[in-house]
Amino acid sequence: AQKITQTQPGMFVQEKEAVTLDCTYDTSDQSYGLFWYKQPSSGEMIFLIYQGSYDEQNATEGRYSLNFQKARKSANLVISASQLGDSAMYFCAVYAGGTSYGKLTFGQGTILTVHP
Amino acid sequence: DTGVSQDPRHKITKRGQNVTFRCDPISEHNRLYWYRQTLGQGPEFLTYFQNEAQLEKSRLLSDRFSAERPKGSFSTLEIQRTEQGDSAMYLCASSLRSAGNTIYFGEGSWLTVV
Repeated sequence: AQKITQTQPGMFVQEKEAVTLDCTYDTSDQSYGLFWYKQPSSGEMIFLIYQGSYDEQNATEGRYSLNFQKARKSANLVISASQLGDSAMYFCAVYAGGTSYGKLTFGQGTILTVHP
Repeated sequence: DTGVSQDPRHKITKRGQNVTFRCDPISEHNRLYWYRQTLGQGPEFLTYFQNEAQLEKSRLLSDRFSAERPKGSFSTLEIQRTEQGDSAMYLCASSLRSAGNTIYFGEGSWLTVV
């Protein structure tokens, strides 16, 4: 079974500053994938970034980067140059390879508030 | 690419009634998933389809829940004899079997059982 832990229930950041959202995971599988999703108040889950367990480089997508530390089982999301529109709930999720492909296990989420 | 679409977006129903949600995945996506999310929690996996075959079901999916994906395109999730504990958002997602790093979610269907 997989488990995701997001220890920050809420985070605050000033507009234009960078913020790091923490995520640790637990899985016994060697092959797995890590995801970050953004969920605004409207409810939709917006895909942000993906990191495969065998990827040697940290994933980046525009202002989003994933700080992947495999030995520590950590997959923190870094948002650079925060914008007011970044205020939302952020979820970290993991899937294990094989037949569980696509079956995501989510953390509890972190609410990010961006102040002007 | 119109994204994953779900209908209805909101549903209020009386306890004991049946409800059905529909999900249209991204075209050419052969995998489709249903998740449930309650307030303050992350989504929880319910079931998934590869094409028309339902390959996995969570223990969360009681006998009152049934999901189908006839012809491997859109999917329906039906809840029979709704209970107040069924109140949640039901999320649909889709992906390509060959591209596991692209799991896209719809906007969700909010269910309130009164």
